[in-house]
Amino acid sequence: GDSVTQMEGPVTLSEEAFLTINCTYTATGYPSLFWYVQYPGEGLQLLLKATKADDKGSNKGFEATYRKETTSFHLEKGSVQVSDSAVYFCALSLNTGNQFYFGTGTSLTVIP
Amino acid sequence: DAGVTQSPTHLIKTRGQHVTLRCSPISGHKSVSWYQQVLGQGPQFIFQYYEKEERGRGNFPDRFSARQFPNYSSELNVNALLLGDSALYLCASSLIGQGNQPQHFGDGTRLSIL
Repeated sequence: GDSVTQMEGPVTLSEEAFLTINCTYTATGYPSLFWYVQYPGEGLQLLLKATKADDKGSNKGFEATYRKETTSFHLEKGSVQVSDSAVYFCALSLNTGNQFYFGTGTSLTVIP
Repeated sequence: DAGVTQSPTHLIKTRGQHVTLRCSPISGHKSVSWYQQVLGQGPQFIFQYYEKEERGRGNFPDRFSARQFPNYSSELNVNALLLGDSALYLCASSLIGQGNQPQHFGDGTRLSIL
């Protein structure tokens, strides 16, 4: 079935370090891919998206490229800040509907 | 502009009771979806509604039901509550419910079952 597998956390980084959170997917057809971020006590906020192969989504210094050949959508940021501490979710949506399949989330803590 | 609003923010119930959770989508959004998020896990899809019709249903028992109103707001109902229903219930809205559109989430209703 359709699913998303995320790198397990928690991840702890020093400020200004490079971040990669791995995400791979399994889907029938051609999904759209998303990264969401969840801050403590809040709902999910859209971070970035890509709707077709080779698309790159970017926002707030975060980037992810839709790689069909490796079925991946890894999240990267060149220099993390303390304010980036949150839980990050990779998700896919099939273009035949709007049901989202989420990964289990990766908790990121950035220390000064 | 107001985002997705959910009520109540917190709720405590006992086993066997029923509960109704409410959601108002972003203005102009016609699709509403409901998700259950258990602590430490990603959200799990429960229902999607578009133009008052059910468009999708996840793997949840019949104790879970929902509906969408003419103003596009929505209710999620859960009957015969079990301890395992304790979770954060998230509502999300999108323009017309197509797969390439992002969903916009509310802050959720935290349901605790005693």
